[in-house]
Amino acid sequence: AQKVTQAQTEISVVEKEDVTLDCVYETRDTTYYLFWYKQPPSGELVFLIRRNSFDEQNEISGRYSWNFQKSTSSFNFTITASQVVDSAVYFCALSEAQENNNDMRFGAGTRLTVKP
Amino acid sequence: ETGVTQTPRHLVMGMTNKKSLKCEQHLGHNAMYWYKQSAKKPLELMFVYNFKEQTENNSVPSRFSPECPNSSHLFLHLHTLQPEDSALYLCASSQEAAAMYYEQYFGPGTRLTVT
Repeated sequence: AQKVTQAQTEISVVEKEDVTLDCVYETRDTTYYLFWYKQPPSGELVFLIRRNSFDEQNEISGRYSWNFQKSTSSFNFTITASQVVDSAVYFCALSEAQENNNDMRFGAGTRLTVKP
Repeated sequence: ETGVTQTPRHLVMGMTNKKSLKCEQHLGHNAMYWYKQSAKKPLELMFVYNFKEQTENNSVPSRFSPECPNSSHLFLHLHTLQPEDSALYLCASSQEAAAMYYEQYFGPGTRLTVT
């Protein structure tokens, strides 16, 4: 069964600090997809990134970067030089790439507060 | 209107009421989803529709009844709910639901309170 663990329930940083959100997953499949979503106070989740299990290249998008490590089953998310607008709940999610699979498992989320 | 819209944004209902949640997507997607987000619990996938066909029902109680008349509209009909059903109900859409590969676009949710 697939499972996603976000051990950090809440993180508080001061603006301009770097912060890393951890995500550890469990799956028996060799092909799977990992996602990060951001949920601002307005409620709707916003897609940030998708990674498939065969692509271990790290990704950088502006102040955001992702570190995918299959050896430790982790897909961590780092925000560099955090800003107040980064305050949100961040979810990591896992989907196993089976033809008849229609399930997405989300972690419990990490609430990030960036203080001015 | 753009993206995914949900109405109403807030709903208070008694346990004997019948109400419906509505979701509409303006993205030309073929898959739509209902999720339940309760306090202190992970986001739970409830139903998946792919090209108007229901492809997933994650053991959701029958007091929740989905309806997908076309690829752009999704409803969640509610009846005889319990207080523990109080939650944020999120609708999402994606290009299609095959193997859950495609990123999903979410609506702002309906905050449901059952009294």
